[in-house]
Formats: sequence, structure tokens, C-alpha cells
Amino acid sequence: SAVISQKPSRDICQRGTSLTIQCQVDSQVTMMFWYRQQPGQSLTLIATANQGSEATYESGFVIDKFPISRPNLTFSTLTVSNMSPEDSSIYLCSVEFGQGTDTQYFGPGTRLTVL
Amino acid sequence: EDQVTQSPEALRLQEGESSSLNCSYTVSGLRGLFWYRQDPGKGPEFLFTLYSAGEEKEKERLKATLTKKESFLHITAPKPEDSATYLCAVFEYREGQNFVFGPGTRLSVLP
Repeated sequence: SAVISQKPSRDICQRGTSLTIQCQVDSQVTMMFWYRQQPGQSLTLIATANQGSEATYESGFVIDKFPISRPNLTFSTLTVSNMSPEDSSIYLCSVEFGQGTDTQYFGPGTRLTVL
Repeated sequence: EDQVTQSPEALRLQEGESSSLNCSYTVSGLRGLFWYRQDPGKGPEFLFTLYSAGEEKEKERLKATLTKKESFLHITAPKPEDSATYLCAVFEYREGQNFVFGPGTRLSVLP
């Protein structure tokens, strides 16, 4: 299976600032996704990162708050904009290899704390 | 409304004490059901994918089964290293992406 890495692994940020999280895969993938996992809770899908076009956002998430880029088949970024303490979460990227299994494989996550 | 629930919320077992975790779902058309293991501070680790009722998958001490309304993750003779949160997720046939996670079961296996 592929190696999925995220940078940074954790960060502490001030209210009102923005943070960009990177997700890198060591092989080409068809689909990349971004999730949020709030403390003590399960995973919620933020958006699907589409290569060469705008991301597809789930209900409750908007592009102005969570802009996403996917310039190629191995890399994506998620920006958390104008942060507030409610944005403190673990942010996870996942990938699907498009081999007909629909299985998603996850990166290690980025733990974000907003003061 | 589509829903994925898991029970119990938390489970404490003695080493060697077998048990089962439940994942119940209500979706109009199941495309796949997935089990993941998540250790604290880490991303979910893929365990199994099940596609149709009656299907079973095994890996070491874990066995996953699927019916039309629920899935079970059976843990046989667990060891302390099996302690983790176990998440199930369902993927539904509908336009757009619908990959929904359950809340998870926190498993603790005591030596």
C-alpha cells in the first residue's frame, strides 16, 4: 500500500490566522479526501479534492473557510482560514486508488489547536 | 436519514475474552461497509471491506461479518495490543460522495 504523509503533524495557532495542511502520497491516486475529527468524535467528510477542478464540499463546509487545492495526482492541501477555537480538531486526508474497492486509506492526521 | 451507529460505545475485556462489536446502518443502497482501527493520535488503519450480506473477512484475531442491516467485528482471544477505537463506515449508492463513519467503539483489553 502507499505511504501517505501530512505536514504539519501538529500546530498551535492564534485566532484569526490561517493554516495550510499538506497531504502527499508516494503513488498516484484517483481520489483524495479531507476529513475533520473533533475531540472525542468520529470522522466527518469536509470535501473531495478533485484534480484540476474545484473541490466538492459536503453540507456545512464552504470553500471560503476550507479552500482546497489538488495540483496533481499525488498532492493536496487544505487551508483552515480565519481560525477560531472551534476549528481545533484533527484534520485527516485520505486517498482511494480507484481499483474498484472504494476503500479509503488515511494519512496520520494533523492535530490543530487554536487559541 | 442515513445513519450509522455502533455499539457498545466502550468495551473492556480481559485478555483472551472474546467478544463482538456491532455496526448498524440505515442506507438506501449499500455499496460497501468498511472497518478501521484507530489508535490515539493516529489516522484510521484499514481493516476490512464487506460488500454483500453473508460475506465474511478474517485477519488474525479479527473477523468481520455483514448482514443486510448490520455488521459485526468479532475479536477472538484479544490481546492488549488490540486496544483501540474501531470505526465502521458505509459507502452508499447515490449521486456524489457518501462515505459515512459511525461514532466508533473504544476497546480496552486488559492483561
